[in-house]
Amino acid sequence: QKEVEQNSGPLSVPEGAIASLNCTYSDRGSQSFFWYRQYSGKSPELIMSIYSNGDKEDGRFTAQLNKASQYVSLLIRDSQPSDSATYLCAVNPDRGSTLGRLYFGRGTQLTVWP
Amino acid sequence: DAGITQSPRYKITETGRQVTLMCHQTWSHSYMFWYRQDLGHGLRLIYYSAAADITDKGEVPDGYVVSRSKTENFPLTLESATRSQTSVYFCASKGTVNSPLHFGNGTRLTVT
Repeated sequence: QKEVEQNSGPLSVPEGAIASLNCTYSDRGSQSFFWYRQYSGKSPELIMSIYSNGDKEDGRFTAQLNKASQYVSLLIRDSQPSDSATYLCAVNPDRGSTLGRLYFGRGTQLTVWP
Repeated sequence: DAGITQSPRYKITETGRQVTLMCHQTWSHSYMFWYRQDLGHGLRLIYYSAAADITDKGEVPDGYVVSRSKTENFPLTLESATRSQTSVYFCASKGTVNSPLHFGNGTRLTVT
């Protein structure tokens, strides 16, 4: 079983604050990592992908990957009410294979209040 | 329009009936996936396909059947629907093994 665990939440932050979302995974061979945002009643949409250790920044979003600790996080700076959604961590555990499977955590619900 | 489309968007069926959920993508992506999403469980992988005529089981395949005779289509069939299969079903596709997934709009299935 390829386990992906997220901090359960819900997480509530004031507008303008930094929201920190965390994810751990069980398979040390995992090779690609993604963060998705899902609004209620909608399909998941990609926010960030990260493949190498370190930080990756895109606008207000920063993904951090630490393969040694099997940990990936998402920071949202200057949080806005429009960021209120469920954030899903996804992991491809199949290093060196062509299976391409992607496993998801259960998600963390984020609320940004004005 | 290019993209990935699922049909129907909503479906109500009775226990024991067979139902097929359709998924069509126009990107010629090699990989296609079916997930179900239930409260408290997140997205769980049902079946996936790495190419036409290649399919394999995911985390929760029991009670489901898939086929992939053409690259662009990946239908999911519930052979004899049960109430536990009431869920939102998402189809997704990607072009390469490490690409992110692109999701369809989902099908909300209710089994009565």
